[in-house]
Amino acid sequence: EVQLVESGGGLVQPGRSLRLSCAASGFTFDHYAMHWVRQAPGKGLEWVSGITWNSDTTIYGDTVKGRSTISRDNAKNSLYLQINSLRTEDTALYYCIKDISTTLSGDLALAVWGQGTMVTVSS
Amino acid sequence: SYELTQPPSVSVSPGQTASITCSGDKLGDKYACWYQQKPGQSPVLVIYQDTKRPPGIPERFSGSNSGNTATLTISGTQSMDEADYYCQAWDSSTVFFGTGTKVTVL
Repeated sequence: EVQLVESGGGLVQPGRSLRLSCAASGFTFDHYAMHWVRQAPGKGLEWVSGITWNSDTTIYGDTVKGRSTISRDNAKNSLYLQINSLRTEDTALYYCIKDISTTLSGDLALAVWGQGTMVTVSS
Repeated sequence: SYELTQPPSVSVSPGQTASITCSGDKLGDKYACWYQQKPGQSPVLVIYQDTKRPPGIPERFSGSNSGNTATLTISGTQSMDEADYYCQAWDSSTVFFGTGTKVTVL
């Protein structure tokens, strides 16, 4: 069974940094691209970032571009997201997601979602 | 930025057909996906690459995409299909989601 378990969320002050982690199991991790998507309380889905199977390509949404870094460790079956200079509007549930493909392209699909880790940015 | 617009809500009677639209500029030239999200749960992929269903998704879910509009159709809607639905597309190396549609089964 495919499992994605996120961790690292919590309450953090504006301007600080946070590193989210995702532990993957039940599939060959290094065969798939991976993503982070977030959802603010009571709001819709917002894509945050994606990474190819071999970390060759990383892409970011406009709201986190320049202050976030996505990475992966295929040896540890793990995905990460570092967000710097956190803002109150970064408050959301952050999901780790397995793509259907190895690459990031127009035929991608967000195939399997974790349960999410909640990030609250507040002073 | 690429905008995908969905109706805020759709109501359907049990056993009837629900159609949810997703509008975007030349969306038919791109692939569209659809996700179902029930309250308190993570989203689930129900349609990808316009028309394909992942394993385990019932046949009553189908998709189409042409022109500026992608459509998710739920045939023989059941009470368990009551959820929020989001479309998704790729443009300029970025993933975009639609505004979301709440489907109510009355």
